[in-house]
Amino acid sequence: AQTVTQSQPEMSVQEAETVTLSCTYDTSESDYYLFWYKQPPSRQMILVIRQEAYKQQNATENRFSVNFQKAAKSFSLKISDSQLGDAAMYFCAYSNLGSARQLTFGSGTQLTVLP
Amino acid sequence: DTEVTQTPKHLVMGMTNKKSLKCEQHMGHRAMYWYKQKAKKPPELMFVYSYEKLSINESVPSRFSPECPNSSLLNLHLHALQPEDSALYLCASSQPLAGGTSTDTQYFGPGTRLTVL
Repeated sequence: AQTVTQSQPEMSVQEAETVTLSCTYDTSESDYYLFWYKQPPSRQMILVIRQEAYKQQNATENRFSVNFQKAAKSFSLKISDSQLGDAAMYFCAYSNLGSARQLTFGSGTQLTVLP
Repeated sequence: DTEVTQTPKHLVMGMTNKKSLKCEQHMGHRAMYWYKQKAKKPPELMFVYSYEKLSINESVPSRFSPECPNSSLLNLHLHALQPEDSALYLCASSQPLAGGTSTDTQYFGPGTRLTVL
């Protein structure tokens, strides 16, 4: 079974600074997807960024980028130029390519942005 | 448009009540999901529908009864719930690939906050 570990329950960052959230996972599969979802106090789970395991190039989405290290099974999220609206719970998630597509979530990192 | 809608936003019910949660998407997605989420915890998968057929039931108690009347609508019928069932219930959808396998990205609705008294 796959597992996803987020070792930082809480993080804080000054507005306009950069922060990196960590995520490691365990799988025996060679092809899979990885995601970062953001859940602000408004509750809605919002997709931040997605990475296909077969792609060596790290995904980037505006101020959000990932550092995907397949051999190390590491998938960290970097937020540049942090904004107050980035404050949220961030979940790292893994998805296999099987017929029963399921998301395995990490325990989450609560990010606070300080003005 | 990646919108999944859920109604109601909030629901308070007694343990003897019968109520339903509704989820709707108009993205043409053919896989839909129900999750339960407790505060400060990740979502827990409850049910998966693929092409309007139940494909996964994560050993959910029978007091939760899912229904998928058509490809854009997903309901969760609630009956005789317990106070520990109070949680945020999230719906999600994704676009299956050919052959019934679903794609990678799930899009979530805003959730229904359920309180059982």
